[in-house]
Amino acid sequence: GNSVTQMEGPVTLSEEAFLTINCTYTATGYPSLFWYVQYPGEGLQLLLKATKADDKGSNKGFEATYRKETTSFHLEKGSVQVSDSAVYFCALSESYNTDKLIFGTGTRLQVFP
Amino acid sequence: DTAVSQTPKYLVTQMGNDKSIKCEQNLGHDTMYWYKQDSKKFLKIMFSYNNKELIINETVPNRFSPKSPDKAHLNLHINSLELGDSAVYFCASSMGRDSPLHFGNGTRLTVT
Repeated sequence: GNSVTQMEGPVTLSEEAFLTINCTYTATGYPSLFWYVQYPGEGLQLLLKATKADDKGSNKGFEATYRKETTSFHLEKGSVQVSDSAVYFCALSESYNTDKLIFGTGTRLQVFP
Repeated sequence: DTAVSQTPKYLVTQMGNDKSIKCEQNLGHDTMYWYKQDSKKFLKIMFSYNNKELIINETVPNRFSPKSPDKAHLNLHINSLELGDSAVYFCASSMGRDSPLHFGNGTRLTVT
């Protein structure tokens, strides 16, 4: 079945460091790919998305490129801030059932001043 | 003002009890969902409704019964609660078909 695999956390960085959170997927067809972020005590919020191969999603300094050849959608940010500390979820929507999102296990990011 | 609101925020109850969690969205979305997040933050879909009609039921025990009185509401009733039901339950809504999900802030259920 379709699945999403994320790197285990926590990822601990100093402020202004470069961030990469790896995400790979297994899917039939052509899924759309998403990154969601969950701040403490809150629900998930969409961070960015990409709907086809080679698309780049970007928001708030975060970027991810849909790589079909490596089935990856790694999240990057050039300079993290303390306020970026949260749990990040990679997700895919199945191309034949786009109402269903399959989430990865989440990666906790901790940024220290 | 809140887009997706769910109540209560915290729910502590004993095994064997029956409880409900309510969810309302004011975004005009047609599709609503329940997700369960376990202690390791793993998030799994439970149900999806589109315009009051059940679309997705992910092998959830039949002790869990969603009810959608109208497309703005999707409540979750749980019978005979078990220890393993302890988790955070998230309600969400979307326009469907690749549009983003809007999540509520979650209901932390603790079964003792």
